[in-house]
Amino acid sequence: DTAVSQTPKYLVTQMGNDKSIKCEQNLGHDTMYWYKQDSKKFLKIMFSYNNKELIINETVPNRFSPKSPDKAHLNLHINSLELGDSAVYFCASSHTVRAETDTQYFGPGTRLTVL
Amino acid sequence: GQQLNQSPQSMFIQEGEDVSMNCTSSSIFNTWLWYKQDPGEGPVLLIALYKAGELTSNGRLTAQFGITRKDSFLNISASIPSDVGIYFCAGDIQGAQKLVFGQGTRLTINP
Repeated sequence: DTAVSQTPKYLVTQMGNDKSIKCEQNLGHDTMYWYKQDSKKFLKIMFSYNNKELIINETVPNRFSPKSPDKAHLNLHINSLELGDSAVYFCASSHTVRAETDTQYFGPGTRLTVL
Repeated sequence: GQQLNQSPQSMFIQEGEDVSMNCTSSSIFNTWLWYKQDPGEGPVLLIALYKAGELTSNGRLTAQFGITRKDSFLNISASIPSDVGIYFCAGDIQGAQKLVFGQGTRLTINP
């Protein structure tokens, strides 16, 4: 069984479009995250949610809007896509918000290409 | 923002060789983690370190949490082809509720 799953795996779209990426975890975790990995493989946190509540927003442009309908799901909607949004987006989850002790489990990633 | 300096950025070695990589930070970290990312996959946790000076092994992997709490290293002994991938260090600053990742070390192994 897949612990953290993301859809779609690949997303190719035109500049200016709006798109969504979905994430689900079946680990029973309270906390979920979105990370962005750029072309140089640098991995940076974007958002974290704990029990559907926003905990961290790392100065991400407001074109990015995460939504957590329940604690097992954290979706990412992106408006007015720009070329610089091209990257691999990873969803992750952990038991609690305590990053210092709780292992974060990552999904397989969604490769977004904006043309 | 907070950064971890990870080195080397890439390594090209022969199968069977030992590997060493490290991370340093200007800030004190409460936790040091080492992740591995295979192509097309998400990072997977290899080793977690929670105390300054802690030395932990996981099979052929050994990692240490530096005494100053500002650095960590990862060693891989007797490398094999499946060790190929990108290795990331990550750290947690107290109260930040988030991980900061290093730039990654890309390991390539010649058979």
